Amino acid sequence: ETGVTQTPRHLVMGMTNKKSLKCEQHLGHNAMYWYKQSAKKPLELMFVYNFKEQTENNSVPSRFSPECPNSSHLFLHLHTLQPEDSALYLCASSQELGLAGGTYEQYFGPGTRLTVT
Amino acid sequence: GQNIDQPTEMTATEGAIVQINCTYQTSGFNGLFWYQQHAGEAPTFLSYNVLDGLEEKGRFSSFLSRSKGYSYLLLKELQMKDSASYLCAVRDQHYKLSFGAGTTVTVRA
Repeated sequence: ETGVTQTPRHLVMGMTNKKSLKCEQHLGHNAMYWYKQSAKKPLELMFVYNFKEQTENNSVPSRFSPECPNSSHLFLHLHTLQPEDSALYLCASSQELGLAGGTYEQYFGPGTRLTVT
Repeated sequence: GQNIDQPTEMTATEGAIVQINCTYQTSGFNGLFWYQQHAGEAPTFLSYNVLDGLEEKGRFSSFLSRSKGYSYLLLKELQMKDSASYLCAVRDQHYKLSFGAGTTVTVRA
């Protein structure tokens, strides 16, 4: 596997279900991100992890719970979601934040298309 | 925070040139990125500007004017495979990226 992978690619869940999204990066990066992409709206940053430590929580509801066990893996645990949470959830990674002279371009995974019924 | 504006849609003919403008208002500018996103796929990095001026990469160029809060992405010799959404993103001093809503470019034969 190369780049950033995400599983599952598609997920349909009811409002009372609990599910998890998984992201894995094979680029040797130390920063990882979760974004939400809804139709016709800008990508919204949800969470940022740098060296496994959460450095940003962009006012995300608690029904979304991130987990970063190591620099290569990132999870998004979902519970009691609402229909308006249906969207494409994208994971990204970059060089560690704070490194002098870095461009820090982010490399994105293909996303998980989530539908909440 | 950031306020980023770019046109919603643009259409151009194969072989032509298209310029996608992006204007932003920021509270701590630390770089501007352009990403390409084909339908159903991940965004891919195209270009990065942090200083004023033009950066050229093959058929794609990106320009930045920090004093005007303005950037553009120039696509030359358009090909059908260039049909995609182009995302302008501004980074702040905390390395947080804020994205525009994207410009959908349609290339016609």
